This record gives sequence, structure tokens and C-alpha cells, in this order.
Amino acid sequence: DVKVTQSSRYLVKRTGEKVFLECVQDMDHENMFWYRQDPGLGLRLIYFSYDVKMKEKGDIPEGYSVSREKKERFSLILESASTNQTSMYLCASSHPLRSQETQYFGPGTRLLVL
Amino acid sequence: GIQVEQSPPDLILQEGANSTLRCNFSDSVNNLQWFHQNPWGQLINLFYIPSGTKQNGRLSATTVATERYSLLYISSSQTTDSGVYFCAVENSGYALNFGKGTSLLVTP
Repeated sequence: DVKVTQSSRYLVKRTGEKVFLECVQDMDHENMFWYRQDPGLGLRLIYFSYDVKMKEKGDIPEGYSVSREKKERFSLILESASTNQTSMYLCASSHPLRSQETQYFGPGTRLLVL
Repeated sequence: GIQVEQSPPDLILQEGANSTLRCNFSDSVNNLQWFHQNPWGQLINLFYIPSGTKQNGRLSATTVATERYSLLYISSSQTTDSGVYFCAVENSGYALNFGKGTSLLVTP
């Protein structure tokens, strides 16, 4: 059974704190993604990675960075959390070479920045 | 980037009713997927359907690539169908572009 796990389901942080969100997949997927989801806006891509140590900016990378040191793990970093980063964060992974490939999503992390 | 529009934004159905959700996209696509997000936030892929028709139980989907739209049909709806349905497309690179979703509530 495919699995994408995220380090926390709920997280409360204070403005200015450094926040790490971790995502692990066990499917040996090359591609990994971080999205944020806000009411009425759907899912917006923050960053994605197509290989270890490779990363690409998505639509809304400002205020975020990422790290991919191992194939199975993709971390999202908020260097200095702000209240406008309160959101649901979703991690996903996919394999680029198989046909009919889908993205598999983790359960999400609901982050509240006070 | 490619634009994705979903309609309707909200839908309330009585259990047993049928519904059709629509996804319009602005350019040709290599990849189109439908997802269901349950009330706890988990996103599950329903269909990979860049063209043609597929069926899975009470759900079916049709994509008419030449006219740039896709339809998701839900028949005999159940309360467990409640949640948000997303259409997502990709036409270059790796990442999917998501629509804003259709929020469905099925009442007993």
C-alpha cells in the first residue's frame, strides 16, 4: 500500500519561529511536491523536487525553502513564520516515468501561526 | 500557466441523487486527474483521464480533450461522497495545476 506521511497533523507556532514540515514517501518516487491549501483558492504549488538535491519553485515560493537530501524525504522550511502562512500544507509524490501516473498525497499538516 | 475552472463551486444533494461536476481548462494537457478530498483533508485520486471515459463503481469521468473540458459523474450519491472534488491538469513539466474545487454535501 502506497504511503506518504507528514510529520504532524496539527502545528501551532509563533510569529518569527523557524518551522520544519517533513514529508516521507515509501514508493521510491522521484518527484515530490509541497502545496498549500486555503479556502476558496484550491491547492497552490510552493516547491517541487524531481530528484535528490534538485528543487524547482512553484507558484508561491516566497517565504519558504525546501530540502531534499534523501529520495524519500522532502522538507518544507518556513524560515520566519508569519501569520499569513497559517494554512493547510499538503505533500505529494509521483513517479515520472510510469504511464497513468498519479500524485499520492499525505494527510496534510494544519499550521496555525500566532 | 494553464487555467483550470471548476463548476459549480458548491453543491448540495439528497442521498440517491445524481450529479455532474465540470472542469474547463485553457490549453491542451498531458495529464488530467480528479481527486476527492474527504472532510479530514485526505486527498485521494479518483481518475487519471487526459482523454476518453472511465468508470469506477458509481463514479465515472469523461474528458473531451479537443474541447478542453472534463466531467465527473456521481450516481446514486451517498453521504460518504461529501467533500471537495478537485480537477488538476498538467501540460509541461512535473507539476499539476489544481482548480478551486467543487464542495459537495450529500444529505441523508
